[in-house]
Amino acid sequence: EAGVAQSPRYKIIEKRQSVAFWCNPISGHATLYWYQQILGQGPKLLIQFQNNGVVDDSQLPKDRFSAERLKGVDSTLKIQPAKLEDSAVYLCASSGRRYQETQYFGPGTRLLVL
Amino acid sequence: DQQVKQNSPSLSVQEGRISILNCDYTNSMFDYFLWYKKYPAEGPTFLISISSIKDKNEDGRFTVFLNKSAKHLSLHIVPSQPGDSAVYFCAAEGGANSKLTFGKGITLSVRP
Repeated sequence: EAGVAQSPRYKIIEKRQSVAFWCNPISGHATLYWYQQILGQGPKLLIQFQNNGVVDDSQLPKDRFSAERLKGVDSTLKIQPAKLEDSAVYLCASSGRRYQETQYFGPGTRLLVL
Repeated sequence: DQQVKQNSPSLSVQEGRISILNCDYTNSMFDYFLWYKKYPAEGPTFLISISSIKDKNEDGRFTVFLNKSAKHLSLHIVPSQPGDSAVYFCAAEGGANSKLTFGKGITLSVRP
């Protein structure tokens, strides 16, 4: 079974530029998550999708971050414009729809904002 | 406000000995707890979980203990192997559709 795929793996941009990350979840997984992991911290949930609907985006900085999952499969996360403090690893995870389903993570995209 | 706390940033143990990784939580609504392992440049990998209806769950060399009254859980690795060297995250959730809350992680080093 293929795991969660993410691209790109690394990205370096200058502040005020925009960037987009892509995620393809495990086949059949209805729930998709985007996390931000800052160095020395645990992952923090940014947004959770159930199929193509948003379940929780309470910690997404909506003035600069956006995410979509149009067909209920893959997803993109965008930052526009980027700030220095956005430097982090962006992790995508997916799970089934049942309660207490294990989340499986992709390798992450490491973003450096200069 | 950190609801999941891993107070020790690192742990070093000798190969073959027991590793004990601790985690405390403050939210009494949490009812499901997980441990993830993370190698550099990789995403977290699920290791083991425990529901609040249990106080112990075992999977091979890995055992998780839950003490609900103390709001404390621990991961025991016996025997520890050099390949276990990684960052270990404790995570918790509670209620349907509640988000997974992670601790800051602990770096385990197993010395050959």
